[in-house]
Amino acid sequence: EAQVTQNPRYLITVTGKKLTVTCSQNMNHEYMSWYRQDPGLGLRQIYYSMNVEVTDKGDVPEGYKVSRKEKRNFPLILESPSPNQTSLYFCASSLKQGANYGYTFGSGTRLTVV
Amino acid sequence: GDSVTQMEGPVTLSEEAFLTINCTYTATGYPSLFWYVQYPGEGLQLLLKATKADDKGSNKGFEATYRKETTSFHLEKGSVQVSDSAVYFCALRGTTDSWGKFQFGAGTQVVVTP
Repeated sequence: EAQVTQNPRYLITVTGKKLTVTCSQNMNHEYMSWYRQDPGLGLRQIYYSMNVEVTDKGDVPEGYKVSRKEKRNFPLILESPSPNQTSLYFCASSLKQGANYGYTFGSGTRLTVV
Repeated sequence: GDSVTQMEGPVTLSEEAFLTINCTYTATGYPSLFWYVQYPGEGLQLLLKATKADDKGSNKGFEATYRKETTSFHLEKGSVQVSDSAVYFCALRGTTDSWGKFQFGAGTQVVVTP
């Protein structure tokens, strides 16, 4: 089944403890992206990647890192999480960057930082 | 820059009622337009899309027509069911300004009662 898989689905952590949220897609998609969803703020893009070893900042990159060493994987790294990073996170991928291509989303990771 | 504006929710309807969710956009060039749906506890799923003016996207009884003259992409369904209760997002993917970047509306929550 074609899908984007995120892990974990739920995570509670403490301030400052490094964590990684994994994202993997099995559709050979070039473009991958991370979003956070917050009440009243909608979806905001954190980072994106147009292909292997090519990443760039989105609208809210502060406090996050990403890497794209393989085409299928695009992990999101929080080196020192803070409570304001408590949010619902989504990974998404599309075949290419062009306008005609829609996203496939993962099921989301609900992160709570205490 | 490109942007999407959609009507605020929640929209509360009775089963079998007619649903319209308004969406307008601002973009240069020829963006593609999308509707995504998010069911409780899940990620966003592509509902329908249109890639050029006057195209009509349709899926699961939902329809939307790409109207370049009014810069709109309103979502409609003739007879809603309780299972249509969800949050609906209008989105565009641009071709010039911030090429290939998705812009999402804030989302409209729809509640269908029996």
